[in-house]
Amino acid sequence: NAGVTQTPKFQVLKTGQSMTLQCAQDMNHEYMSWYRQDPGMGLRLIHYSVGAGITDQGEVPNGYNVSRSTTEDFPLRLLSAAPSQTSVYFCASSAGDSAYEQYFGPGTRLTVT
Amino acid sequence: AQRVTQPEKLLSVFKGAPVELKCNYSYSGSPELFWYVQYSRQRLQLLLRHISRESIKGFTADLNKGETSFHLKKPFAQEEDSAMYYCALSGLGSNYKLTFGKGTLLTVNP
Repeated sequence: NAGVTQTPKFQVLKTGQSMTLQCAQDMNHEYMSWYRQDPGMGLRLIHYSVGAGITDQGEVPNGYNVSRSTTEDFPLRLLSAAPSQTSVYFCASSAGDSAYEQYFGPGTRLTVT
Repeated sequence: AQRVTQPEKLLSVFKGAPVELKCNYSYSGSPELFWYVQYSRQRLQLLLRHISRESIKGFTADLNKGETSFHLKKPFAQEEDSAMYYCALSGLGSNYKLTFGKGTLLTVNP
């Protein structure tokens, strides 16, 4: 099993550009989440999904969109990138009977100039 | 609103010394508490969960509801314990949705 995979690993965007961060898991997990990690701020939940077709907002959803058309994939879209979105983005997944144990991807380091 | 506070950004101890990483929480109800760890160049992973009351890699954590704390302790630190530690909280029935603290970077010196 590859677990949770994320692409790309690194990305540089200009202000105003849009892009999609990809996340996939091969563990048939129901739950998937996106977090951003900033120095001194810890991890903050952006969006999460409790199953295919169901998504909801986390703590810091503004400027981001998600969709969950399949169990495996949970892409994160930046609509119009801003320097404040410079961060490391982590995707995580977990199973229904032990949803607290989240499996994290390797992260995407995004810089917006 | 639920909140997790880790008052120490950095903690440095010597090998063999006891270590305690502090975590306080705010939650109106009965929370579930967790410790996650991120070793250098590795992914963030679950270390332990308060309900299980286990000792993992020599670490234990007790939930103190009166003091709303969930401190992580180890009696004798090892160099391989050096990592970033995050305390996390979820509400009962929604433990797929975690609120993390800001993290404490533990360095164990030889």
